Amino acid sequence: DAGVIQSPRHEVTEMGQEVTLRCKPISGHDYLFWYRQTMMRGLELLIYFNNNVPIDDSGMPEDRFSAKMPNASFSTLKIQPSEPRDSAVYFCASSSSLEFYNEQFFGPGTRLTVL
Amino acid sequence: KNEVEQSPQNLTAQEGEFITINCSYSVGISALHWLQQHPGGGIVSLFMLSSGKKKHGRLIATINIQEKHSSLHITASHPRDSAVYICAFPQGGSEKLVFGKGTKLTVNP
Repeated sequence: DAGVIQSPRHEVTEMGQEVTLRCKPISGHDYLFWYRQTMMRGLELLIYFNNNVPIDDSGMPEDRFSAKMPNASFSTLKIQPSEPRDSAVYFCASSSSLEFYNEQFFGPGTRLTVL
Repeated sequence: KNEVEQSPQNLTAQEGEFITINCSYSVGISALHWLQQHPGGGIVSLFMLSSGKKKHGRLIATINIQEKHSSLHITASHPRDSAVYICAFPQGGSEKLVFGKGTKLTVNP
């Protein structure tokens, strides 16, 4: 398996622009997680899905952030409009409820810079 | 009070040294992850353990559920072990992970 795939790997945009991050989980995994990592706050969970349904979005910073999972093999995280404070590395991870203690597998991350 | 504390925050060692990184937590947990994040940014799961000890190559992870403490040991450390090591556990029986702040390890040749 190719592992969790994220795109793009790097994104540089200007304040006010819409940003869409993409994730393809490991085939067969029923959980998908979106994380944000910054120097100040470390890793934070933004939202997670189970069987394509959002379960906990309490970590989503504000209405500018939205996430969708239209099918089991694809999810997006959208920021509209983007702000400089959104600059961070965004990770997607997936796991399977059938595996031991739902070990999470992380994608390579998307480094977002908002100018 | 943070639910999880890692120590030390930064650690510099010479190649060959034995390394210990600690993780203490304040709530009851069912399992604990140790993750490794290399300078390139990728995050890899090293261990998930619920009791006792696990070993993978030069890496050993231990956990004491009663004392709410886990350690990650690296034997015969090597510069390629230089990374940030993060402990994490599921929050309240959910799938949501609570992360430590990480320990930045630098192993010098």
